[in-house]
Amino acid sequence: EVQLLESGGGLVQPGGSLRLYCAASGFTFSTEAMSWVRQAPGKGLEWVSRISASGYSTDFADSVKGRFTISRDNSKNTLFLQMNSLRAEDTALYFCAKHSGVSYYFQSWGQGTLVTVSS
Amino acid sequence: EIVMTQSPATLSVSPGERASLSCRASLSVSSNLAWYQQKPGQAPRLVIYGASTRATGIPARFSGSGSGTEFTLTISSLQSEDFAVYFCQQYSTWPLTFGGGTKVEIK
Repeated sequence: EVQLLESGGGLVQPGGSLRLYCAASGFTFSTEAMSWVRQAPGKGLEWVSRISASGYSTDFADSVKGRFTISRDNSKNTLFLQMNSLRAEDTALYFCAKHSGVSYYFQSWGQGTLVTVSS
Repeated sequence: EIVMTQSPATLSVSPGERASLSCRASLSVSSNLAWYQQKPGQAPRLVIYGASTRATGIPARFSGSGSGTEFTLTISSLQSEDFAVYFCQQYSTWPLTFGGGTKVEIK
């Protein structure tokens, strides 16, 4: 069974930084592209960033480009999201999600970790 | 960026009735369209991918149709566990984009 467990969320001041983690199990992590998707309180879903299976290719939403970095450690089955220069509008529940081969729908989701940006 | 528009925002349906949810793309996405179900306090769950293929474990009462810019998710006979918010998502072009969601509520 695929399991994705996010952690690292919390309360941070505007301009601050936070690093999110996603521990994966139940599948061959090193062969699957992964993404982060976020959901502001009471709102819809917004794709944030994606990383290829090898980690060499990444993409970002314009709203986070230049501020967020995505990476992965395939030896530890872990996905990361480094978030810098955080803004109030980054407040959201952050999900890590697994893609399916070369198709970029989200096959499996974690339960999310909450990031709150507030002074 | 491809804009995904879902309608209606809220759909009130009685248990056992049929529900049809609409999703429209601002540009053609071919069949690169997925549907997700989200219940309160839970992560989204994949329902349909490739516009019409049910995901693993999804009951046959769920069906997807359409291609290009117009898509429909149909739930043939609503069960109590189907009341939730449904999102569509295109994966034809980066950035990946979602519709705003349709809430299916009990009438």
